Parts: sequence; structure tokens; C-alpha cells
Amino acid sequence: GAGVSQTPSNKVTEKGKYVELRCDPISGHTALYWYRQSLGQGPEFLIYFQGTGAADDSGLPNDRFFAVRPEGSVSTLKIQRTERGDSAVYLCASSPGTGGLETQYFGPGTRLLVL
Amino acid sequence: EDKVVQSPLSLVVHEGDTVTLNCSYEVTNFRSLLWYKQEKKAPTFLFMLTSSGIEKKSGRLSSILDKKELSSILNITATQTGDSAIYLCAVLSSNTGKLIFGQGTTLQVKP
Repeated sequence: GAGVSQTPSNKVTEKGKYVELRCDPISGHTALYWYRQSLGQGPEFLIYFQGTGAADDSGLPNDRFFAVRPEGSVSTLKIQRTERGDSAVYLCASSPGTGGLETQYFGPGTRLLVL
Repeated sequence: EDKVVQSPLSLVVHEGDTVTLNCSYEVTNFRSLLWYKQEKKAPTFLFMLTSSGIEKKSGRLSSILDKKELSSILNITATQTGDSAIYLCAVLSSNTGKLIFGQGTTLQVKP
């Protein structure tokens, strides 16, 4: 597609449930990033993939959060045993990954609400 | 700890006004500063700044970086209601590919 796409656009779940959020980056982009944006705040970094591997996962808040990118394209962010504090907009971005100064292009996000 | 701070946090103006949004940063190994506009969910890219003192311009929007003062400004002239949005400043450190964002400035332009 022309831009970064994310599904679902909205997700409502109950505390304790498991959720998966999907990101489809711009075709050909090897770098992929996940951010989390709480109400009234700027996005906060979660994890960065270069190809299939997680180059930096220092932003994942705890071991309930996990992300994969098995074929170097689509990525899935997985949250286990969701808590109300996980409610936020989860944004995905991609960039060419050539190593130069690169702009990150964002998707529309998934708004997660944990009841 | 790397930090990006934006001011003001919110701003209300009338159509036709000129606004200046501020961004200051403390980041190790600065590489570039980016401005994004966020209207609903997806931040859309406005500018990337790497060199001090060189203004970037796109229509009524312009931005400049001051590496000595560790800051940047985003100017919007002749504001329109369509400029109402959250404006995000982010810094890229060369240590990592991640962007460090400020809290954002919420701009409301009234007719």
C-alpha cells in the first residue's frame, strides 16, 4: 500500500485478556518502529526492528509486551494479561532502513481500551 | 536521560494570526530534529532539521534549528482552522533509531 497501515483501528478488551495489534509498513521499508501514545502525551518508543530482528526493545514496559516481525515486513505487537494502564493509542512507523538520516512515517494507530 | 520539551502545551488563536511553537531538547549524540502534525491519530511529517540556522519552509509553515541553544521553533503564518492539530517535536539520537518526542503543543485556530 501507499502508507503504513494498522489493524484493528480500535480494540476494546477486558482486563486480563490477550491482544494482538498488526502493522503493515510501507513496501520496501526495512525499519519498523512501535510507539505508544497516552492521552495528552507524545508518543513513547517501544521497539525497533531492522529486518526481522529487534534492534532495540528497550522501550517495552515489561514482559507482558512482545513484538515479532518474522518475515521482515508485517509486525505484530502482542500484549498478554492486559491491564487498564495499557489503554493508549499504539502507533507503528516505518522508514527505509538504509542507515542515513531517515524520516519515520506513521500509521493511523490502534486505539486500545482495556476495561 | 534524553528529554524533549515543547511549549506552550496549548494555544488558542484566531484565523490569520501567526504562531510560534517551541521545542527544546537534551539528547546525547543529536542527529536530527523532526516536526510532525497530528490531527486524528497518525502523525504526519512536516520537517526534518539537521543543520543549525537553515530555515526549512513549506507554504505557511517554517522551521529552524539552533544547535547552540538546543532548540527549534515552528512558525505558522496566516493561520487557518485547518491548522488546528497537535504539533509534535521529536529528536533522533545517533545511538539508536528511536525518536524521542515532546509532549506536543495543541493548537486551536478559531474562525
